[in-house]
Amino acid sequence: QKEVEQDPGPLSVPEGAIVSLNCTYSNSAFQYFMWYRQYSRKGPELLMYTYSSGNKEDGRFTAQVDKSSKYISLFIRDSQPSDSATYLCAMGSGGYQKVTFGTGTKLQVIP
Amino acid sequence: SAVISQKPSRDICQRGTSLTIQCQVDSQVTMMFWYRQQPGQSLTLIATANQGSEATYESGFVIDKFPISRPNLTFSTLTVSNMSPEDSSIYLCSVDGGLGGREQYFGPGTRLTVT
Repeated sequence: QKEVEQDPGPLSVPEGAIVSLNCTYSNSAFQYFMWYRQYSRKGPELLMYTYSSGNKEDGRFTAQVDKSSKYISLFIRDSQPSDSATYLCAMGSGGYQKVTFGTGTKLQVIP
Repeated sequence: SAVISQKPSRDICQRGTSLTIQCQVDSQVTMMFWYRQQPGQSLTLIATANQGSEATYESGFVIDKFPISRPNLTFSTLTVSNMSPEDSSIYLCSVDGGLGGREQYFGPGTRLTVT
């Protein structure tokens, strides 16, 4: 079993839709959780970072963590074509070497 | 934030040869990281490169196959040695962006195809 599971998609939605991206994990030692966005032929860039269970909002993006279920989500409201990218979840328990990435979900927002 | 460039952006190489990938950062950083991103697989850390010391390799990666240099605080190279088709991948360098290492700034990647 992989430490982090993420549906690869692709996920295709119409512009303006609410998008839900999810990851599950098995390592209960994970303490912090991130979402990275990766455009085609670019490196990943940090989108959201959260440490505790609950919700964290930043503009159209909301990161949700449920440690009891070992489940994290990223919600995108009013999705835009510019949101079309691959979204990687990442999590860690301490130090650089401990960051574990999901495989990424490819999202396409259709105008 | 840090701006990171990588050279080459892509290459097609013959089996058995070696390729050196360069990573340049626009500011001085202590730690640089090298990752591999294979299709359908997660970003995998190859090694951590600190200036002035030997690189630290992750399980499954060895110095003979992936030698790394870190001559100063803004530059690093990763060499993929004696390549086989299984080495075909995107190779990314990154640097610590703060948040205790949670945030990393990534380069655009080097897309390597081995024939």
